[in-house]
Amino acid sequence: GESVGLHLPTLSVQEGDNSIINCAYSNSASDYFIWYKQESGKGPQFIIDIRSNMDKRQGQRVTVLLNKTVKHLSLQIAATQPGDSAVYFCAESRTGGTSYGKLTFGQGTILTVHP
Amino acid sequence: KAGVTQTPRYLIKTRGQQVTLSCSPISGHRSVSWYQQTPGQGLQFLFEYFSETQRNKGNFPGRFSGRQFSNSRSEMNVSTLELGDSALYLCASSLGQPIDEQYFGPGTRLTVT
Repeated sequence: GESVGLHLPTLSVQEGDNSIINCAYSNSASDYFIWYKQESGKGPQFIIDIRSNMDKRQGQRVTVLLNKTVKHLSLQIAATQPGDSAVYFCAESRTGGTSYGKLTFGQGTILTVHP
Repeated sequence: KAGVTQTPRYLIKTRGQQVTLSCSPISGHRSVSWYQQTPGQGLQFLFEYFSETQRNKGNFPGRFSGRQFSNSRSEMNVSTLELGDSALYLCASSLGQPIDEQYFGPGTRLTVT
């Protein structure tokens, strides 16, 4: 049958605003989480990661929040710039067992930053 | 340090043919993971190789296979191509530790006609 494309959530902001991108993950056994940015024609680019023993981690202009109780992850981008326009993916991983090298990706969010 | 490279970048094949894609990891990285990205299914894990051994495999049919060489370069092969195999194939390299950043290449865009 015909496949249905993913309808990616979109977020549109003005340059200089703060952006918050949300992600719900599925596996309660996941203990490592990563945010990636993917620009058109490129592979995903690592932004920031967080382990399950933390609930917040900050990088340059980015903050990741982890709420294990409700299995929710968010990425906050401060002072969003036009160059931040891309598709953002959260990914989860389980470090134990036989999950070598496997990241499970969310559907992605399209961020558009208007000058 | 050079990033992950993938060749070719673009490929057009006909149904029933087979295809081989190549991935060169970052120098010193021993783990290579492969992913398929489509508009319908998003990014899906295919398999992971470490020191020439497949350590993990996703839920793809046996037509999808891979291998890794002693220099950590990896290839993936798809036999008997189907229209639904049209996708962006991404590889990612890492050191292969349990908690490890994966660095992605630019991908190979495969179109099956």
